[in-house]
Amino acid sequence: DAKTTQPNSMESNEEEPVHLPCNHSTISGTDYIHWYRQLPSQGPEYVIHGLTSNVNNRMASLAIAEDRKSSTLILHRATLRDAAVYYCILRPTGNQFYFGTGTSLTVIP
Amino acid sequence: DTAVSQTPKYLVTQMGNDKSIKCEQNLGHDTMYWYKQDSKKFLKIMFSYNNKELIINETVPNRFSPKSPDKAHLNLHINSLELGDSAVYFCASSQHDRAANTEAFFGQGTRLTVV
Repeated sequence: DAKTTQPNSMESNEEEPVHLPCNHSTISGTDYIHWYRQLPSQGPEYVIHGLTSNVNNRMASLAIAEDRKSSTLILHRATLRDAAVYYCILRPTGNQFYFGTGTSLTVIP
Repeated sequence: DTAVSQTPKYLVTQMGNDKSIKCEQNLGHDTMYWYKQDSKKFLKIMFSYNNKELIINETVPNRFSPKSPDKAHLNLHINSLELGDSAVYFCASSQHDRAANTEAFFGQGTRLTVV
């Protein structure tokens, strides 16, 4: 399974932007970069994904490095509801979702 | 309408028992998964089914047997339950895309406690 490295934990103040980094130096050319998050006592939920270009949706933005060996999930204004574990996942094929250890985000009021 | 639903939400049972967890998705997806999340919160894929056929079978004891009667259902049957089987089990579904350009939807989880 494709390997990603994320910090174990991060903190952010409420209403400030949050940048969650992910390293994936062994990424191959066809791997999609996916981000999921898991709120307390809930199942993981999709956040965003991309291949090469930066992506924006209503939840977040995904910035992908030019060499694709790292990416950053950007939450533009953190709210208390954004406190969760965020997982960066590489998907080599359509049937695989292998999760790493994720980053536990704490939002401080 | 819940997209991926699992039943039961909580399951407490004794060692040695046999139990099943049911999963249904109403998204029209052709691929379904089972994940196990242990006490350290690590999410590990167990099985993946595509069009009712087993695609991924990670190193899971053969006491665990998934059954997919149709594309919308993937049930997990566990025989001879052990203490180490205590975990939260998540079902998920996605539409198969060879390029991995689709998202997965997860159920709310089934917390299994073996006593």
